[in-house]
Amino acid sequence: GEDVEQSLFLSVREGDSSVINCTYTDSSSTYLYWYKQEPGAGLQLLTYIFSNMDMKQDQRLTVLLNKKDKHLSLRIADTQTGDSAIYFCAETRRDDKIIFGKGTRLHILP
Amino acid sequence: GAVVSQHPSRVICKSGTSVKIECRSLDFQATTMFWYRQFPKQSLMLMATSNEGSKATYEQGVEKDKFLINHASLTLSTLTVTSAHPEDSSFYICSARVSGRVTGELFFGEGSRLTVL
Repeated sequence: GEDVEQSLFLSVREGDSSVINCTYTDSSSTYLYWYKQEPGAGLQLLTYIFSNMDMKQDQRLTVLLNKKDKHLSLRIADTQTGDSAIYFCAETRRDDKIIFGKGTRLHILP
Repeated sequence: GAVVSQHPSRVICKSGTSVKIECRSLDFQATTMFWYRQFPKQSLMLMATSNEGSKATYEQGVEKDKFLINHASLTLSTLTVTSAHPEDSSFYICSARVSGRVTGELFFGEGSRLTVL
């Protein structure tokens, strides 16, 4: 399809790992991004991965990229209450536009 | 990191009036800025791409006479919602791409919530 797809909701217990998945559309996308949006706020770039990489780790965040399946995932280790937010996957398409998924709302259980 | 300032953060206006929203890159130059609209519980919809010194490029279905975009300098883009109606009520977010940076990552303003009565 033409949309960047993400599941809309994820519930995780505090201290567990969260894994948010995304399927993108353009096999020629050069950069893929994860953005975080806290309630009532704008977006914050969490991390990005270049298309020639399979994995990128940044502290508690791990990004995995499967180019063959056009699948991107974000793993948050040791999930904390402050991680509660909406996480958007985004891709840079060949026309240089950055297109977003609908966002995954991460809910942290005590 | 790069900072994008958006103003106002909230605005309430009467139906039929026009509202201007500003987007400024504070510590970097942005040749390209983007305007997004976010409906409740939905994703960001790209409205238009704003290029400094030239006309904005609008996405399909976005009325360019309704949503006027001006990008007069490398640090400022404005979105004017003309003759606003209640259905224009939404969260508008701007973003800027750092000129010359390889990654092409976007930096976002905090958003402007428009309520049209």
